[in-house]
Amino acid sequence: DQQVKQNSPSLSVQEGRISILNCDYTNSMFDYFLWYKKYPAEGPTFLISISSIKDKNEDGRFTVFLNKSAKHLSLHIVPSQPGDSAVYFCAASGLNAGNMLTFGGGTRLMVKP
Amino acid sequence: DVKVTQSSRYLVKRTGEKVFLECVQDMDHENMFWYRQDPGLGLRLIYFSYDVKMKEKGDIPEGYSVSREKKERFSLILESASTNQTSMYLCASSFIRGTGANVLTFGAGSRLTVL
Repeated sequence: DQQVKQNSPSLSVQEGRISILNCDYTNSMFDYFLWYKKYPAEGPTFLISISSIKDKNEDGRFTVFLNKSAKHLSLHIVPSQPGDSAVYFCAASGLNAGNMLTFGGGTRLMVKP
Repeated sequence: DVKVTQSSRYLVKRTGEKVFLECVQDMDHENMFWYRQDPGLGLRLIYFSYDVKMKEKGDIPEGYSVSREKKERFSLILESASTNQTSMYLCASSFIRGTGANVLTFGAGSRLTVL
């Protein structure tokens, strides 16, 4: 039973356009949500996080939106660049689960020049 | 910069062999983790450790064991490798925080193939 789901295994976007990656979760006790980016043959690297008490967090070209009532979060990348092509994982954690991260299955983003 | 180093990037082993995957971090982090990454399944937690000689089972511990004799080193052991353990193995570390996001720093991964 996957508590964190990324329903789109892949996404293709033109350079300069917006990329929107989506993530759904089932556990209402999660209190932090994170996005990681992974290039081939490298480990995942932390991108951005958001607390459950907020609905938006922005860092440069990356913005994460959280809709608690829908148990949904999304990562927006504007403008998308070819170097953003990678696999993106969303993850969630809750104090009631020892702050362990639960990861989604990942979405492969391809940004075409 | 926190560095998490995994000693072997690529390994090929035979069914039944014992496999050691080593991980070292250089930032004095208390927490260390072993995940495996499989297509469509994301990252699944095998074991974690929050202190020397302490270990806790994650979501998929069967067929694995771990060792943490020193704070900076966390080893994953496959006692008798099987073909369904062919995967990418990722080590990570983090420091203990009372509140806030648990940001993990990952190593580059070890791709294990079991024939």
